[in-house]
Amino acid sequence: GAVVSQHPSWVICKSGTSVKIECRSLDFQATTMFWYRQFPKQSLMLMATSNEGSKATYEQGVEKDKFLINHASLTLSTLTVTSAHPEDSSFYICSASNPGTVRNQPQHFGDGTRLSIL
Amino acid sequence: EDQVTQSPEALRLQEGESSSLNCSYTVSGLRGLFWYRQDPGKGPEFLFTLYSAGEEKEKERLKATLTKKESFLHITAPKPEDSATYLCAVHPPNDYKLSFGAGTTVTVRA
Repeated sequence: GAVVSQHPSWVICKSGTSVKIECRSLDFQATTMFWYRQFPKQSLMLMATSNEGSKATYEQGVEKDKFLINHASLTLSTLTVTSAHPEDSSFYICSASNPGTVRNQPQHFGDGTRLSIL
Repeated sequence: EDQVTQSPEALRLQEGESSSLNCSYTVSGLRGLFWYRQDPGKGPEFLFTLYSAGEEKEKERLKATLTKKESFLHITAPKPEDSATYLCAVHPPNDYKLSFGAGTTVTVRA
């Protein structure tokens, strides 16, 4: 099956630090990648959609200057949490999809990044 | 606004005790309904895609069915390793975004 790799799996850093999270599709070309945030015992909340070679589309309430997304190739998207603060601590998950091939391809998810800001 | 509602929130089963999870949705022109399994501290793992009413998919002890307004995930003779949170999501028309339900957390006791 499709494999999506997310790195790092766990980050602990000081307040004010910027943190970059990578999401890679290992065995397929991902024209679209999605970034989610998940709070404990809650479902996934979509933050933004990124399409290869174009600017990301952010969901309402998500600060685009806070959460920088880059999708420079068909296999890699990055999320940078700039000047992170304790309230940014969360579980961040990416997914990848290639919706242009077979109809309604499912999204395949990475294993998430646990971000803890001290 | 599209809504996906899953029930129950939590389900505790004895090993071998079959049961069903429900996912009801209010989206017109459904393009696909997806079931995922999520283990603690991990990302969701894709299980099934259902496209049209009457469709069924099976994988080991899991069987997913779809009607015009809801989907069921049947777990037959569950084992402790089936313990997880099961998420349902829908694809509305003209959009690649997924709308997720809150999930059903299944615990299977040996």
